Amino acid sequence: EIVLTQSPGTLSLSPGERATLSCRASQSVSSSYLAWYQQKPGQAPRLLIYGASTRATGIPDRFSGSGSGTDFTLTISRLEPEDFAVYYCQQYGTSPHTFGQGTKLEIK
Amino acid sequence: EVQLVESGGGLVKPGGSLRLSCVASGFTFSTYSMNWVRQAPGKGLEWVSSISGTSSYIYHADSLKGRFIISRDNAKNSLYLQMNSLRAEDTAVYYCARSVTKDYWGQGTLVTVSS
Repeated sequence: EIVLTQSPGTLSLSPGERATLSCRASQSVSSSYLAWYQQKPGQAPRLLIYGASTRATGIPDRFSGSGSGTDFTLTISRLEPEDFAVYYCQQYGTSPHTFGQGTKLEIK
Repeated sequence: EVQLVESGGGLVKPGGSLRLSCVASGFTFSTYSMNWVRQAPGKGLEWVSSISGTSSYIYHADSLKGRFIISRDNAKNSLYLQMNSLRAEDTAVYYCARSVTKDYWGQGTLVTVSS
């Protein structure tokens, strides 16, 4: 199975700063079938990015995804207070559809 | 509006069985693959199972070792997860999610396995 490793585990930043989250795969992700999700406490996850770089419906353009092969990045250009949450990457090109362990983005 | 509503969770003893349901509305259910994803308390997300629109393709996490079975009834716009031989480590919130990209999620249903 493809193992996804997210880094850092926790990222402490202030509103207005830029956030860069990494997701590294143990083998190449088929056709860039890589998604990013945001989860807030007590809520279901929300799709942010699919196909490595395509924003989902209604997602602000401060969220962007990039990468291919084994290295992927989620960038939040200018953090808003509502962006502090846990972020997960997932590959859906090969079964099992594995998730990364998550990056917690917290207010500094 | 796309809606996914899970039900069927609850407290079950180790070794017991439970059947989860997810009722979908607001889209043509039969044209989308569907998924189950779980989250143990305080832990990350774990993909459980996926099924194609016509049930032609079914995938389960290897770790489940045949204990869980995904199915769907397109006439009822419903997705199911039959869970057998439940263990304490199956305790989690179980979410249903639409499509390979998991673009819509239900609110989840809590399964607690405990004696």
